[in-house]
Amino acid sequence: ILNVEQSPQSLHVQEGDSTNFTCSFPSSNFYALHWYRWETAKSPEALFVMTLNGDEKKKGQISATLNTKEGYSYLYIKGSQPEDSATYLCAFDDYGGSQGNLIFGKGTKLSVKP
Amino acid sequence: EPEVTQTPSHQVTQMGQEVILRCVPISNHLYFYWYRQILGQKVEFLVSFYNNEISEKSEIFDDQFSVERPDGSNFTLKIRSTKLEDSAMYFCASSEEKNTEAFFGQGTRLTVV
Repeated sequence: ILNVEQSPQSLHVQEGDSTNFTCSFPSSNFYALHWYRWETAKSPEALFVMTLNGDEKKKGQISATLNTKEGYSYLYIKGSQPEDSATYLCAFDDYGGSQGNLIFGKGTKLSVKP
Repeated sequence: EPEVTQTPSHQVTQMGQEVILRCVPISNHLYFYWYRQILGQKVEFLVSFYNNEISEKSEIFDDQFSVERPDGSNFTLKIRSTKLEDSAMYFCASSEEKNTEAFFGQGTRLTVV
């Protein structure tokens, strides 16, 4: 059974703090790793789709790295703002033939206090 | 900005009843998906749909479930005879191409009583 783990489960930081969290996934049959940002009462919003080992992607103050050999990805937020408060989900795509069968982690819930 | 829309936002139904959850994917997208999240659990894949047929489905997607694209815009998920354990948030998503980022709707909260 393929399993995707995210840690920590929740995180409370002060405005301005930088933070990071981890997504672990199976290192075999890797195709892509997706990161989503999910605010309460809204739909999950795609942040990154990462496919290459060593990939690093950036969107504003949010960046992510990927290590497919060891099966982990880090998401970093530099200088967190209260509006960054959300649940960050990662999802593993195990091979190119599958269409949308993403395996999600449980998410890391980030709360940023002003 | 184009978005995926889902209706209704909340549906309460009696056990054994049929429900249809509706989705309007982004208009130029070709791949459509249904996911669900039971309260406190992970988001789980149900089914993907392309070219008017199911591409892939999970073990959850048994004979009680079906999907349809009845016209050029709607994508529906039908649960024939709902069970208590079908209570969950159901998300529709669409993507332009295979394995690219999927855009999610806001979800339909289904409560089976």
